[in-house]
Amino acid sequence: EAQVTQNPRYLITVTGKKLTVTCSQNMNHEYMSWYRQDPGLGLRQIYYSMNVEVTDKGDVPEGYKVSRKEKRNFPLILESPSPNQTSLYFCASHTGMNTEAFFGQGTRLTVV
Amino acid sequence: KQEVTQIPAALSVPEGENLVLNCSFTDSAIYNLQWFRQDPGKGLTSLLLIQSSQREQTSGRLNASLDKSSGRSTLYIAASQPGDSATYLCAPDMNRDDKIIFGKGTRLHILP
Repeated sequence: EAQVTQNPRYLITVTGKKLTVTCSQNMNHEYMSWYRQDPGLGLRQIYYSMNVEVTDKGDVPEGYKVSRKEKRNFPLILESPSPNQTSLYFCASHTGMNTEAFFGQGTRLTVV
Repeated sequence: KQEVTQIPAALSVPEGENLVLNCSFTDSAIYNLQWFRQDPGKGLTSLLLIQSSQREQTSGRLNASLDKSSGRSTLYIAASQPGDSATYLCAPDMNRDDKIIFGKGTRLHILP
């Protein structure tokens, strides 16, 4: 089954404690991205990757890092989480140019 | 910068009615436009993808149209059902960088 898998689904952490949210897709898609979704602000892109070892900033990259060492995985790293990063995070992938985008089920992160 | 606007922000209609959700975008240099459905706290499910060369796409009770030159798309839902209650998101995919930009969505409530 074609899917994008994020882990964990829920996470509560404390300010400053490094964390990683994993994302994996099984469709051999080149393009992967991370979004955060906040009430009243909609979905905003954090980072994206057009292929292995190619990453670029989205609209709200501050406080986040990503890596793309393999095509299937695109982890989101918060080196020093802060309360303003409390949000619902989504990973997505597509193969580019007129293809459907697939989304993970989301990770609800709370930073206290 | 692409701006995507969805009107109305929220809509409640009785079961059985036909309805139209509107989406407008400022930059017509798009590969395609997708309509997604999101249930509360859940991930996004792609409903329809319209390529930039197409005028409309249909899937069951759903019909999406695209007028790229005027920067408009509509999602038509026929014979609405309570199970259609969700947030519907419009998302054009940009030519320039293959980036998908989201509107803030229309929150639809179908009254039984």
